[in-house]
Amino acid sequence: NAGVTQTPKFQVLKTGQSMTLQCAQDMNHEYMSWYRQDPGMGLRLIHYSVGAGITDQGEVPNGYNVSRSTTEDFPLRLLSAAPSQTSVYFCASSYGLAGIGDTGELFFGEGSRLTVL
Amino acid sequence: AQSVTQLGSHVSVSEGALVLLRCNYSSSVPPYLFWYVQYPNQGLQLLLKYTTGATLVKGINGFEAEFKKSETSFHLTKPSAHMSDAAEYFCALMRGGYQKVTFGTGTKLQVIP
Repeated sequence: NAGVTQTPKFQVLKTGQSMTLQCAQDMNHEYMSWYRQDPGMGLRLIHYSVGAGITDQGEVPNGYNVSRSTTEDFPLRLLSAAPSQTSVYFCASSYGLAGIGDTGELFFGEGSRLTVL
Repeated sequence: AQSVTQLGSHVSVSEGALVLLRCNYSSSVPPYLFWYVQYPNQGLQLLLKYTTGATLVKGINGFEAEFKKSETSFHLTKPSAHMSDAAEYFCALMRGGYQKVTFGTGTKLQVIP
């Protein structure tokens, strides 16, 4: 069981370039999310999805787009990278909506370290 | 609005000493509470969680936490620190019935031989 797989693990971009961080899970989880981790700020939610075709904004959505065409995949797109987006990005998934047989435990990928020059 | 406050961004303990990492929360409804651990260059993994029922929760690697509603706290403890416990620890909150999880800013635990 692979769990949550993120690619790439490392990426360097120039300001203004675009890229997509990939996230795939093989646990049939309904809920998927993207966080960014910055020193001293913990993890901040960027976007999340409660099922295929359904996405919503988190705490820090500006500069990022997401889509959820399948249960398994939840890519994060940076349309025009900025140095402020230098961070470590984590994808996380969970079984489903809390209160419906789910306790909210998140399963994390290993992270994607992005540097924007 | 819900929030999580972790007191102390860095904590140092001697090997064999008590580990105490503090977490206080704010939530308008009873939350689910979690502790996650992150080892260097890895993702987060669940240490323990409180949902309902017993307020003293036991997790992996000898860690436990107690939910105290009156103090809005969920402190993490371990009786005897081991070198392998050196990591960053995150307290997190999920409001019951809603999926978004709010994380604290993390506490880095250093274990001194």
